[in-house]
Amino acid sequence: DQQVKQNSPSLSVQEGRISILNCDYTNSMFDYFLWYKKYPAEGPTFLISISSIKDKNEDGRFTVFLNKSAKHLSLHIVPSQPGDSAVYFCAASSFDQGAQKLVFGQGTRLTINP
Amino acid sequence: DTAVSQTPKYLVTQMGNDKSIKCEQNLGHDTMYWYKQDSKKFLKIMFSYNNKELIINETVPNRFSPKSPDKAHLNLHINSLELGDSAVYFCASSRRGPRNTEAFFGQGTRLTVV
Repeated sequence: DQQVKQNSPSLSVQEGRISILNCDYTNSMFDYFLWYKKYPAEGPTFLISISSIKDKNEDGRFTVFLNKSAKHLSLHIVPSQPGDSAVYFCAASSFDQGAQKLVFGQGTRLTINP
Repeated sequence: DTAVSQTPKYLVTQMGNDKSIKCEQNLGHDTMYWYKQDSKKFLKIMFSYNNKELIINETVPNRFSPKSPDKAHLNLHINSLELGDSAVYFCASSRRGPRNTEAFFGQGTRLTVV
């Protein structure tokens, strides 16, 4: 029962081009979505988020788009840089007694080629 | 100055042993979590504590017992370790409210049971 899915285990993009990472979810109760970036042997690092009342959030080179009707979100990175090479996790949030519960996708490994 | 720190980073132990992983956060957050990343790379929540009180327990075996001596610390004790417990365990923390907030993760503890 995988509520958050990232169907592309890996993605390779040329430096300077746009990287698009996709994520689908099944539970319409999720109301907050996050993207985390993870380097090997480190913990996930928060990148960008979006509330379900919005359809777009932008922060520098990173933009997250949310399509609620399709239960789909995507992360755009432009222009892509070598330092962006990492595993990216999509996460959906629900709230339980004051604690946030994150449900993660399985991650997409992004490789930026020079 | 690490925000969420876990010790040890690596832990190799034999089946049947009891071990603990420690976590500390200096962000002043009220809520702390334990997540487990299994061999298939899925990150799943195990426990959540709000100000030392257990809030979320995601049907984790009784052999796993979290302990929160104060709101800055959340330790994980595992009894009678099994081969299937081998995974990377991440500690995280977040503010209690607003509803939409990001969680900050530690660097992970790679537990190997032999």
